[in-house]
Amino acid sequence: AQTVTQSQPEMSVQEAETVTLSCTYDTSESDYYLFWYKQPPSRQMILVIRQEAYKQQNATENRFSVNFQKAAKSFSLKISDSQLGDAAMYFCAYRNTTGNQFYFGTGTSLTVIP
Amino acid sequence: NAGVTQTPKFRILKIGQSMTLQCTQDMNHNYMYWYRQDPGMGLKLIYYSVGAGITDKGEVPNGYNVSRSTTEDFPLRLELAAPSQTSVYFCASGRTAREKLFFGSGTQLSVL
Repeated sequence: AQTVTQSQPEMSVQEAETVTLSCTYDTSESDYYLFWYKQPPSRQMILVIRQEAYKQQNATENRFSVNFQKAAKSFSLKISDSQLGDAAMYFCAYRNTTGNQFYFGTGTSLTVIP
Repeated sequence: NAGVTQTPKFRILKIGQSMTLQCTQDMNHNYMYWYRQDPGMGLKLIYYSVGAGITDKGEVPNGYNVSRSTTEDFPLRLELAAPSQTSVYFCASGRTAREKLFFGSGTQLSVL
């Protein structure tokens, strides 16, 4: 079974600084999709960024970017110029190409310090 | 366009009671999922469906059942509620495997 591991239960960052959240996963597939979701206290799940495993180029979305290391099965999220609104739980997720497996990590709670 | 709608938002059950969590999406998505999120934890997949009439178990299916008679609806049934089923339940849907999931707002369930 595929597993997703987030080894940092909590992280903190100063406002305007950069922080990196770690994620590793286990799979025997060569093609799959990886996601980072944000969950603020409202409980809403918000997609932050998505990466397709067959693409070597790392995905970026404004202040959010990933470091995708396929051989190492690593998928970290970098948040640049951190803002107070970035404070939330962040979940890494893996999805296979047929869509019948969509697994989440245990999350990293990010605190942004003013 | 309502997206994914879950009802109820909150519910308290007594041990042994049954209930159905409703999930409806109006985006004509084939893929639908049920997750549970325990306090401070990630989401665990309970059941999923890749289309009407097709359902299958996820990581933690025990104590739950689902059906998918239409594309829009994917209800989750708890037959004999147990305290271990106290959790927040999320329904999600997606158009294809590569695209993002759309999540409902969650149902907070307490079994006492």
